[in-house]
Amino acid sequence: SAVISQKPSRDICQRGTSLTIQCQVDSQVTMMFWYRQQPGQSLTLIATANQGSEATYESGFVIDKFPISRPNLTFSTLTVSNMSPEDSSIYLCSVKGQGVYEQYFGPGTRLTVT
Amino acid sequence: AQKVTQAQTEISVVEKEDVTLDCVYETRDTTYYLFWYKQPPSGELVFLIRRNSFDEQNEISGRYSWNFQKSTSSFNFTITASQVVDSAVYFCALSELGSNYQLIWGAGTKLIIKP
Repeated sequence: SAVISQKPSRDICQRGTSLTIQCQVDSQVTMMFWYRQQPGQSLTLIATANQGSEATYESGFVIDKFPISRPNLTFSTLTVSNMSPEDSSIYLCSVKGQGVYEQYFGPGTRLTVT
Repeated sequence: AQKVTQAQTEISVVEKEDVTLDCVYETRDTTYYLFWYKQPPSGELVFLIRRNSFDEQNEISGRYSWNFQKSTSSFNFTITASQVVDSAVYFCALSELGSNYQLIWGAGTKLIIKP
């Protein structure tokens, strides 16, 4: 399985600011996913990020609020823009393994917006 | 429509007891995949198992076992002789063939193992 790291691991941000979360994988992967997990809740898919194409956003998530970059096969960023306290969540990136169906997850970024 | 139900919100048992986590799914596809993930207090999601819809064989891995029954659309997870380190939130998930590998997640079951 791939080794995935995320930066920052946690942050406390002020309302109205933006935070960019980085996701780095130790091997090349085609598909990367970004999820949000609100406190005590299950995971919600924000978008799928494939290298060389625009990210595909799920219903309820828009590019202006959650711009995503995928410059190469080992790296992606998610920006949470113009944050509000409702954005306080864990943000997780995941990758789909080569030749398998399961996803492997990074350690997550715990975001608190005050 | 596809759906995953984990009806047990929280389970608390004493160490060394056996515990079963239930997962019921809905799908119209004949080819699909089922997963279990563990999320310890640290927050990282750990992949435990994947099961294909055409393989109903049960699986055992150490103290963990999984029972897949298509007739009841269930994919239950049993921990034998539970340990404190098993305390975590466990998620069941479903992915349909052709869904672009997207996962449909259950709500999760919080498992508390008391010493």
